[in-house]
Amino acid sequence: AQKITQTQPGMFVQEKEAVTLDCTYDTSDQSYGLFWYKQPSSGEMIFLIYQGSYDEQNATEGRYSLNFQKARKSANLVISASQLGDSAMYFCAMREWNTDKLIFGTGTRLQVFP
Amino acid sequence: DVKVTQSSRYLVKRTGEKVFLECVQDMDHENMFWYRQDPGLGLRLIYFSYDVKMKEKGDIPEGYSVSREKKERFSLILESASTNQTSMYLCASSTGGANQPQHFGDGTRLSIL
Repeated sequence: AQKITQTQPGMFVQEKEAVTLDCTYDTSDQSYGLFWYKQPSSGEMIFLIYQGSYDEQNATEGRYSLNFQKARKSANLVISASQLGDSAMYFCAMREWNTDKLIFGTGTRLQVFP
Repeated sequence: DVKVTQSSRYLVKRTGEKVFLECVQDMDHENMFWYRQDPGLGLRLIYFSYDVKMKEKGDIPEGYSVSREKKERFSLILESASTNQTSMYLCASSTGGANQPQHFGDGTRLSIL
């Protein structure tokens, strides 16, 4: 069965520092997609970044980058130059092949302190 | 910008009531989804729909049903609410393209007393 694992329930980082949020996945499919979402305390889910299984380059979106290691089945999110507004829950998710269904991890709560 | 609107941010109902959660999207997306979110469990898929009048069970459909009479609207129904259905409910929609994300509403915090 496909599964997403986020082993860090909570993380702390100082403002302006970089932080890595871990995500590992399990699938037997060759084609899949990986997504990261941010959920502030207000509750909405905000899409951050996407990585396709065949993408050779790591995805980047502004201060967000995805450290994709296919052989290790990991898709870690790196946030550079953390800001106070980055404090939120972060979810890693995988799209099943040939469907639009997402499987989510349990999330990591990031707190950025001054 | 895609807009997914859920009818209520907070809702309190009583055990045994029939509860309707409404979701509307304005981007003509084919696919719509209902998730529930519980601490430590992440988001779990309840039901989804790829077209009008079409529905598929997700991972935890028991105690729920859905309705999609129009493309833009996807309703989640709790047939007889129970306290274990107290949760955060999130609706999402998407075009279904390989690299296209699901777009979420703001969520409904539902309490069943």
